[in-house]
Formats: sequence, C-alpha cells, structure tokens
Amino acid sequence: AQSVAQPEDQVNVAEGNPLTVKCTYSVSGNPYLFWYVQYPNRGLQFLLKYITGDNLVKGSYGFEAEFNKSQTSFHLKKPSALVSDSALYFCAVRASMDSNYQLIWGAGTKLIIKP
Amino acid sequence: ETGVTQSPTHLIKTRGQQVTLRCSSQSGHNTVSWYQQALGQGPQFIFQYYREEENGRGNFPPRFSGLQFPNYSSELNVNALELDDSALYLCASSLSHSSYNEQFFGPGTRLTVL
Repeated sequence: AQSVAQPEDQVNVAEGNPLTVKCTYSVSGNPYLFWYVQYPNRGLQFLLKYITGDNLVKGSYGFEAEFNKSQTSFHLKKPSALVSDSALYFCAVRASMDSNYQLIWGAGTKLIIKP
Repeated sequence: ETGVTQSPTHLIKTRGQQVTLRCSSQSGHNTVSWYQQALGQGPQFIFQYYREEENGRGNFPPRFSGLQFPNYSSELNVNALELDDSALYLCASSLSHSSYNEQFFGPGTRLTVL
C-alpha cells in the first residue's frame, strides 16, 4: 500500500537558521513527490515537486528538497528560515503507474520559526 | 488568471441530509480532484474528474459522488450525511490528468454535520 510519513508533528527553528522538514514514502514503482504549504485560513499552495532527473529540486520561496531513492525520502529544506515560513507543510506522493491518480498525503508538519 | 473557487465557505447540515459542494477550476485546467481534510490530518483523496468523467477514486463509499461540467467546474455530492463527514472539503484543479502535474487548491468548504 502507498503511504507517506512525516515523522515530526512540529519543527521549531530560530530565524536565520537552516530548516529541514522530513518526509518518507512507500509506493510501488517510481514516485512523483510533492510538497505543499498551508497557511492559516488559506488554501494549500504548491511548493515543489520531483518527477525525474536531478535529485535536488528547487521550488518557491527559497525552498528545496532532496530525493533519496535508497532511503525513500524527500526532505524539505531551506538554508535560512524566515518567520513568515511558519505554516503547516504537507508531503504527498503519487505512484507514476497508478491508474487511479491517487495522491497520498502525509499528516503534515507544523513549522514554527521563532524571531 | 482566475484561481480555484469553492462555494459555500461554510455549511451546517444534520445527519441523514444531502449536501452539494461546488468548485470552479482555474482557467485552462481540465482536471478537478476532491479531497476531505479532517482536523489535524492530511487531505484524503475522494475522486478525480477529467473531461467530465471520473477517472480515479479513493476509499470513499458510493454516497460520495461527483460531476464535472463542460466548463470543467465540478460538484461534490454527499448523501445520507454522517457525523464523521464533518471536515474541510478541498477542490483542486490541474492542467491535465497526468500524475506529475501539480494541483492548485481552492480555499475549501467547511462542512459541519450535527
């Protein structure tokens, strides 16, 4: 069965420090991986995705993520955190051969950036 | 460019009733997906519509049904409402049904079932 795990419910980081939000996945075949962010009272916003090619993917607002096939991980990173990065972050995966087009989501990680 | 819109914003129903939620996709997008997001959880995939046909479905019972119209807008219908149906319902549109396309989400409809 396909699944996504975000092992940390909450991550606390001081402003200016690097941040990492972890994600591991389980799918049959090749994965398509996504990160979305949800701000309070706003809809989910797409950050970045991995489809194929370079394992390091760059996205919106200075975020990047590294695909690691052997560890089945797709951790979200940013070199220097901003207070405005505080939000709820979701990792999601689709199996490339899934004819049902089902996008499986993690439970989310709350990121708190302290001034 | 108009983003994804959903209506209504909030809705209160009683157990056993039926509800219809509406979604307008982003301009140029022909695929719409619906999700249920319970409090404190990630979204759960309900189904996807591409060119007016359901082409993917998650683990939801048949009382969850949908429609997509020629202008690619969509409806989610839920019959025989249960208390556990209380959640945020999200609509998302994408350029096509291809699995690698990112989705663009509306603000959601908050459904409360009493």
